[in-house]
Amino acid sequence: QKEVEQNSGPLSVPEGAIASLNCTYSDRGSQSFFWYRQYSGKSPELIMSIYSNGDKEDGRFTAQLNKASQYVSLLIRDSQPSDSATYLCAGTSGTYKYIFGTGTRLKVLA
Amino acid sequence: GAGVSQSPSNKVTEKGKDVELRCDPISGHTALYWYRQRLGQGLEFLIYFQGNSAPDKSGLPSDRFSAERTGESVSTLTIQRTQQEDSAVYLCASSQDRSPGELFFGEGSRLTVL
Repeated sequence: QKEVEQNSGPLSVPEGAIASLNCTYSDRGSQSFFWYRQYSGKSPELIMSIYSNGDKEDGRFTAQLNKASQYVSLLIRDSQPSDSATYLCAGTSGTYKYIFGTGTRLKVLA
Repeated sequence: GAGVSQSPSNKVTEKGKDVELRCDPISGHTALYWYRQRLGQGLEFLIYFQGNSAPDKSGLPSDRFSAERTGESVSTLTIQRTQQEDSAVYLCASSQDRSPGELFFGEGSRLTVL
């Protein structure tokens, strides 16, 4: 069973701090990884995608991928209360299948 | 519309009844996915369409579940003889092509089976 695992949280950080969200995956063949943000009662929306080892930055968000360790992370700098949501990590299996983790709930405290 | 549209947004039904959930993907998106999300849980893959064909139905939980897609557009997920454990949000997503890329999700259909 190919899996993507995340700590369910909640992860609480004060406003302005860095939030670090982590994800591990079991399928060594996975090539593409995605972070989705899901507000309560809403559908997931894409935050970041990452395809190669290393860091990828977009505004306050940085995704990190380490294929040797089968580890993906998302850093949110200068966290805001509006960042409070569940963050879903997803990896691909084959050419089209996305495997989602159960999500980490983030709370940014004002 | 500009986004993925799903209907109904909410459906309450009695155990044993059949339900149909509809998804209208973004125009031109060839790939279409159905996921199920139970309360407080992650996304559970149900089925994938490329065009009108479904090369992967492996996530359908039982033979009570079926899905079709016509005209490389609208898809319908049908659940026959609903059970209480079918209660969940059913999310549809579409993607532009075969390669893994961004999934665009609809707002979901919340199904409650009494």
